[in-house]
Amino acid sequence: GNSVTQMEGPVTLSEEAFLTINCTYTATGYPSLFWYVQYPGEGLQLLLKATKADDKGSNKGFEATYRKETTSFHLEKGSVQVSDSAVYFCALSGVTGGGNKLTFGTGTQLKVEL
Amino acid sequence: NAGVTQTPKFRVLKTGQSMTLLCAQDMNHEYMYWYRQDPGMGLRLIHYSVGEGTTAKGEVPDGYNVSRLKKQNFLLGLESAAPSQTSVYFCASSYPFPDNTEAFFGQGTRLTVV
Repeated sequence: GNSVTQMEGPVTLSEEAFLTINCTYTATGYPSLFWYVQYPGEGLQLLLKATKADDKGSNKGFEATYRKETTSFHLEKGSVQVSDSAVYFCALSGVTGGGNKLTFGTGTQLKVEL
Repeated sequence: NAGVTQTPKFRVLKTGQSMTLLCAQDMNHEYMYWYRQDPGMGLRLIHYSVGEGTTAKGEVPDGYNVSRLKKQNFLLGLESAAPSQTSVYFCASSYPFPDNTEAFFGQGTRLTVV
């Protein structure tokens, strides 16, 4: 079945540091890939997505490139801010038995300090 | 601008009690989902629905039942709550693949079973 593996946290960075959160996946066919973000006390919201190989998703300074050859979708940001502190989930969407069900990684908590 | 609304936001149950969690969406989405979020486990799919009157089991369906009598509502029931069901529950909705693979999430219900 489909699965997503992402680096364990928590990740603690200083403001303006470079961020990478690794994500790899296993899936049949050609899934869509996502990064969702969860701020404290809130539900998940879509951060960015890519629907085919070599696509780059980007939003709010975050980027991720769909690499089919390495089955990866690593999240990067050049300069993090305190307001980026949250839990980040990598996910894939695959059509299996009906419905575009999302399969999530375990989440990576990011804490950005001044 | 309501999006996905979950009721209640918090609840404490005694072992063996029953309850129903309500999810309502105003985006005319066909698909709706119930997930549970546990530390270190990411989000796991409990049940989902691909349209009014239809439901299907997800990854962890045992101990839960669902109903989708109206397109905009998706109910999650616990008939006899157990401490293992202590979790944060999220409802989500989406259009069918491949029109829009983004899922929209509610703010969550924090359930404690004592």
